[in-house]
Amino acid sequence: EVQLVETGGGLIQPGGSLRLSCAASGFTVSSNYMSWVRQAPGKGLEWVSVIYSGGSTYYADSVKGRFTISRDDSKNTLYLQMNSLRAEDTAVYYCARLERYCSGGSCYSVVDYWGQGTLVTVSS
Amino acid sequence: DIQMTQSPSSLSASVGDRVTITCRASQSISSYLNWYQQKPGKAPNLLIHAASSLQGGVPSRFSGSGSGTDFTLTISSLQPEDFATYYCQQSYSTPYTFGQGTKLEIK
Repeated sequence: EVQLVETGGGLIQPGGSLRLSCAASGFTVSSNYMSWVRQAPGKGLEWVSVIYSGGSTYYADSVKGRFTISRDDSKNTLYLQMNSLRAEDTAVYYCARLERYCSGGSCYSVVDYWGQGTLVTVSS
Repeated sequence: DIQMTQSPSSLSASVGDRVTITCRASQSISSYLNWYQQKPGKAPNLLIHAASSLQGGVPSRFSGSGSGTDFTLTISSLQPEDFATYYCQQSYSTPYTFGQGTKLEIK
């Protein structure tokens, strides 16, 4: 059974740093595309970052240069290092596994499994 | 970045109604459009991928259509458990942007 369990959220002051972890079971993180998606209180979903199975990473403009996605293959765990945190980073952060579909030479990815989310609150 | 715009932002309907939600992309995304359902306090759940492919386990009353820039999600006969917020998302290119959501409420 696929499971994703996020930890590491909490209250942090503006300008501070936090590292989120996402422990995966039931599949191999390094063989899949993995993402972080966040949701500010009462707001919609915002895609944050993705790490491809080959190791390439991409970020939303809102976090580029401040957040880093990574994984530890030995621990089957995904991470999100968040630096220079701002009030607008306050959100529930979801870890997500992407399923890859290919047809006729074209491929795309969709989130097929989500973690339960971890709340990050940036406030003084 | 590709912008995704959903309409309406909210919708009131009754059990048994047929409901349609639309999603428009700021540029062509072929058929790389996904729909998710989210209930309060829960993670989203994938309903449809590639515009019209129903995810396993999702009831057949849900259907999707469209290509290019205009897409629709249709619920043929609303059930009580369908009242939730629905999001579209493009997976054509990073960043994989979401629409702002459509909240479906009981009339």
